[in-house]
Amino acid sequence: EAQVTQNPRYLITVTGKKLTVTCSQNMNHEYMSWYRQDPGLGLRQIYYSMNVEVTDKGDVPEGYKVSRKEKRNFPLILESPSPNQTSLYFCASSFQSGTGHSPLHFGNGTRLTVT
Amino acid sequence: GNSVTQMEGPVTLSEEAFLTINCTYTATGYPSLFWYVQYPGEGLQLLLKATKADDKGSNKGFEATYRKETTSFHLEKGSVQVSDSAVYFCALVTPSNQFYFGTGTSLTVIP
Repeated sequence: EAQVTQNPRYLITVTGKKLTVTCSQNMNHEYMSWYRQDPGLGLRQIYYSMNVEVTDKGDVPEGYKVSRKEKRNFPLILESPSPNQTSLYFCASSFQSGTGHSPLHFGNGTRLTVT
Repeated sequence: GNSVTQMEGPVTLSEEAFLTINCTYTATGYPSLFWYVQYPGEGLQLLLKATKADDKGSNKGFEATYRKETTSFHLEKGSVQVSDSAVYFCALVTPSNQFYFGTGTSLTVIP
């Protein structure tokens, strides 16, 4: 089954303790991206990646890191989480062709709470 | 800059009522436009898309037309069902591969 898998689904941590949220897709998509969803703000793009070893900042990259060492994986790293990073996070992927993007396929989300 | 503005919710309709959710956008270049739907506890799923001006996207009775002159992509459905209750997001992707989403509109359909 074609899917985007995020782990964990729920995470509670404390300020300053490094964490990683994993994302994996089995559709051989070139494009992968991370979003955070906050009430009243919708989804905002954090980082995206066009392919292996190619990453770019989205709208709200501060406080986050990503890496793309393999095509299928795109982990989101919070080196020193703070309470304002408490949010619902989504990973998504898509094909990218010369004519533009195919629609995004989303994971089921990771709810992060930083105390 | 790029942005998507959609009507505030929540929206509550009776079954078989007509639905319109307004969406307007600001973008440089020629974006592609999407409507996504989110059911409770799940990620977003594509509902429909349009890639150029005057394209009409349609799926499951929902429709939206890419209007470049009014920079709009309003979502419509002629007769909503209880199963359409969800949060709906308007979105665009720019030629430089950045996605922008609206704030979401919650729809509740009552029998």
